[in-house]
Parts: sequence; structure tokens; C-alpha cells
Amino acid sequence: AQSVTQPDIHITVSEGASLELRCNYSYGATPYLFWYVQSPGQGLQLLLKYFSGDTLVQGIKGFEAEFKRSQSSFNLRKPSVHWSDAAEYFCAVGADSSYKLIFGSGTRLLVRP
Amino acid sequence: EPEVTQTPSHQVTQMGQEVILRCVPISNHLYFYWYRQILGQKVEFLVSFYNNEISEKSEIFDDQFSVERPDGSNFTLKIRSTKLEDSAMYFCASNVQGTAGAFFGQGTRLTVV
Repeated sequence: AQSVTQPDIHITVSEGASLELRCNYSYGATPYLFWYVQSPGQGLQLLLKYFSGDTLVQGIKGFEAEFKRSQSSFNLRKPSVHWSDAAEYFCAVGADSSYKLIFGSGTRLLVRP
Repeated sequence: EPEVTQTPSHQVTQMGQEVILRCVPISNHLYFYWYRQILGQKVEFLVSFYNNEISEKSEIFDDQFSVERPDGSNFTLKIRSTKLEDSAMYFCASNVQGTAGAFFGQGTRLTVV
């Protein structure tokens, strides 16, 4: 069965610092991978997605993620965090055989001024 | 930019009452979903809907739940007899292709008292 693990419940970074949020997935074939962001009281906004091809994908708001098959990982990165990036970030996996998304438990990002 | 619209944003209902949560997916999208997020927990898949029928449902989506696309624009989730444990944020989502990464609405916070 598919599953997603986000090992960090909370991460705090200083504004301007770099960010990496971890995501590991479990799935037998090549997965479809997504990162979503949820600001307080808001819905889920799609940041980026990986289906195939180039393993480094660019998303909105300056985010990028790298698919590493050997590590079953899809970590989200940003070179310089802004205060407005404070939110909860969810990694999700989907598959050809099912269009549902399986979400990780989320990582809450706090940004220090 | 087109978006998924959900109404109401917040609904309070008494245990045992029926509720209908409403969604207007993005107009050219063909796949529709409901997810829920119990406070402090991960986002969970409930049901997917395509071509006027349920294509997949989770164990959570029991006989108390139903979905309908009554016209060309709305997509509804009905809970027949609400329980306290149905209290959650319910998200509607849609996409043009099943694997494309879903666009989520802002959610309806359902509180069962």
C-alpha cells in the first residue's frame, strides 16, 4: 500500500535561511508526487508535482523538489525563506491505478524574523 | 485564476442531523474528490467521482455518506446522520486528469455538537 512519511512535525528557520522539508514515500512503481501548502484557515495549494522526466522540479513561490528513487524521497527545498512561507506543508503520493492522493502528516514551518 | 469553491465555510449541526456540503469544481475539470482533515491529523481521502459515478471510496466513506453531481456545476457531499467524529474540515478537489494533481477548495469546517 502507498504511504508517505514526513519525519519532521515542526521546523523553524530564520528568514532568509535555506529550507529543506523531508518526504519519504512507499510505493512499488513510479509514483506521482506532490507538495501542497496550507496556510492557517486556508485550503491546500499545489506547490509542485513530479510525474516523470527531470528529477528536479520547479514549483511556485520559489520552491523546488528533487525525486530520488534510490532513497524513495521527494524533499522540498527553498534557497531563501520569507516570513510569508510560514504554513503547513504536505507531501502526497498518487498513482496510475488510483487517482486518490495519500498525504503525509505534514510539517509545520515557522519562520523567525 | 479558476478555483474550487466550497460552501458554507463553516457549518454547525446537531448529532444525527443530515448535512450537505457543496462544491463548485473548476469548470473544465472531469474528476472530483472529497477529502477530510480532522483537527491536527492528516488529510484523508474519502471518495473520487468521474463520469457521474464513484470511481473509488475509502473505508471512511460508509453508507452514511453519499455524493452527487446534481447539475453541470455542483458536486455535493451528504452525510445522512452526523456523528461527533464527523467533525472535521472537508475539502473538495478537482482536476482535469486523474493523475494531474488536484486543485483544492478552501474547505468547509463541519462541527457536530
